[in-house]
Order: sequence, then C-alpha cells, then structure tokens
Amino acid sequence: DTGVSQDPRHKITKRGQNVTFRCDPISEHNRLYWYRQTLGQGPEFLTYFQNEAQLEKSRLLSDRFSAERPKGSFSTLEIQRTEQGDSAMYLCASSLDRVNQPQHFGDGTRLSIL
Amino acid sequence: DQQVKQNSPSLSVQEGRISILNCDYTNSMFDYFLWYKKYPAEGPTFLISISSIKDKNEDGRFTVFLNKSAKHLSLHIVPSQPGDSAVYFCAAGGTSYGKLTFGQGTILTVHP
Repeated sequence: DTGVSQDPRHKITKRGQNVTFRCDPISEHNRLYWYRQTLGQGPEFLTYFQNEAQLEKSRLLSDRFSAERPKGSFSTLEIQRTEQGDSAMYLCASSLDRVNQPQHFGDGTRLSIL
Repeated sequence: DQQVKQNSPSLSVQEGRISILNCDYTNSMFDYFLWYKKYPAEGPTFLISISSIKDKNEDGRFTVFLNKSAKHLSLHIVPSQPGDSAVYFCAAGGTSYGKLTFGQGTILTVHP
C-alpha cells in the first residue's frame, strides 16, 4: 500500500527565490490537502482540492503561494519570492471523498530560507 | 483564535500505566474528531477517530472519548509502551468542512 509521497524532503533556498513542492496522494484518494507546520504548533490548513478543483484556500495562503492539481492526481505547491517567514514543514495529505474519512499525511517537505 | 486546544504541552508516564491526553474545542460545528501521532522527521500518522454521534471509540490499546456538552475529547492509551513516545495531535473537522483544525500537540514520554 503506497502512502502519500512528497518531494523533495528538504529544500534550502535563498530569500527571494521561487520553490516548488510536489505531492503524490494515495492513488484512490480524490481529495488532497496542503498544510504548513512550524515548530511547536500543529499543522495549519492552507488549501485543498477535490479532484482538480481547488475548493478552499486559507487566508494564510498569500498571493505568493499557488497550488495546482492539473489532472486530479499529483499536486504542486509553489512559493514565489520566498521570505524568512516561509520556513516551515509543508505537509500534504489525502483522503477519500466520503463523510468522516481520515486524512493520511506524507512525511513533508522541510523548507529553510537562508 | 485557537479553536482546538491541547493545554498540556507534555506528559510523562511509566510503561504499563495509562496515558490520558486531553483536547478541548470551541466550534460547535465540528462533528468529526481525530488523533494523530507524530515521530520526528515524519508526517502525522492517523491513530483513531470518532464522530459526534458516538461518545466512545476503541481500537486495541487506544480509546477516544467524546464529551460534546463539554466540548472535550480525550485519548486513553492502555497499557502505555515506550514506542508510544511521540507528539500527539488532536484534530477536528466535519461534514461542513474539508480541512482539519489541529491542536498544538502534546509530547508523550513513556519511561521503561
């Protein structure tokens, strides 16, 4: 059983650069979620997709952030003009589109801004 | 506005004893609650969930209790094992929501 896969696991970049992360959900899951987690906090919701449609975006998701899921399978999260405050763990999760289905998480991409 | 709160940052328990982790929520629209376990350098792993139509759900050593009137849930681990040492997050969601709202986490340490 293949779980949620995220790539890369770690990303170090300079302030002002653009970065892109990829998430491959569990194959039969049509919902895909992005969260951000900083030290000492729980994951915070960023956005989610049902198939290729982006259904909700958090106010945390500034104009510099964009997420896509073009074919309803994998998703990408891009951050443009990175800032120090973007340093965090970016987590992807997926679930079935049924009532009360748990979300299953990948191991995350840790972003460090120099 | 912290809608889900875990007021104990850490808990230390002896192996074989019961671990009780607590969580409070404020949003009465939440009707689905979950517990996740997280080891360092890994993503959260789903443990157990409960919907608001129940007040208890068991899975092996793990039991979740829900008190809707108090807006409180708890996770009981019996017996606790050293491998249970991790950060535990409670999360809340529901049929009106796609997203989950997480607490800040409780670090559980089980001593041999």
